[in-house]
Amino acid sequence: EVQLVESGGGLVQPGRSLKLSCVASGFTFNNYWMTWIRQAPGKGLEWVASITNTGGSTYYPDSVQGRFTISRDNAKSTLYLQMNSLRSEDTATYYCTRDHGGVMDAWGQGASVTVSS
Amino acid sequence: DIQMTQSPASLSASLGETVSIECLASEDIYSNLAWYQQKPGKSPQLLIYYASSLQDGVPSRFSGSESGTQYSLEINSLQPEDEGDYFCQQSYKFPWTFGGGTKLELK
Repeated sequence: EVQLVESGGGLVQPGRSLKLSCVASGFTFNNYWMTWIRQAPGKGLEWVASITNTGGSTYYPDSVQGRFTISRDNAKSTLYLQMNSLRSEDTATYYCTRDHGGVMDAWGQGASVTVSS
Repeated sequence: DIQMTQSPASLSASLGETVSIECLASEDIYSNLAWYQQKPGKSPQLLIYYASSLQDGVPSRFSGSESGTQYSLEINSLQPEDEGDYFCQQSYKFPWTFGGGTKLELK
């Protein structure tokens, strides 16, 4: 069974940093791209970052480019999202997803991030 | 960026009815369209990919179709467990973009 388990969420002040982790199991992690998707409270879905299966390339939307960094440790089957210079508009539930050609075919339970003073 | 315009924003239907949700892409996305279902308080789950391919384990009452840049999700014979939010997403080019969502309620 494919499982994605996020951790590291919480309350953080504007301008500070937070790092999310996602431990994967039930599939060969290093065969898949991975992607973070977020959802602000009561809102829709927003793509945050993607990383190739080897970690050699990463992709971001303009809204987080230069502030967020996606990375992975294939030996540990773990995906990360380093979030710096956090803003109130980054408040959301962050989902770790398995990315199969741009299609998110498995989702974690989500990690809640609240940016507030 | 490719804009995905999803409609309706909400709909209410009865058990056993058939409903349709639409997504209009701002440019050709060559069938690179997925549909997701999000039940209340849960994570989204993939229903359909590449416009009309049913994800493993998804009931056959869900189906997808396309006409030009217009994509549709049809749900036949509505069941209580179909209540929730539905989102379309294009994966033709970065940035991946989602429709605004449709909230489906059962009467």
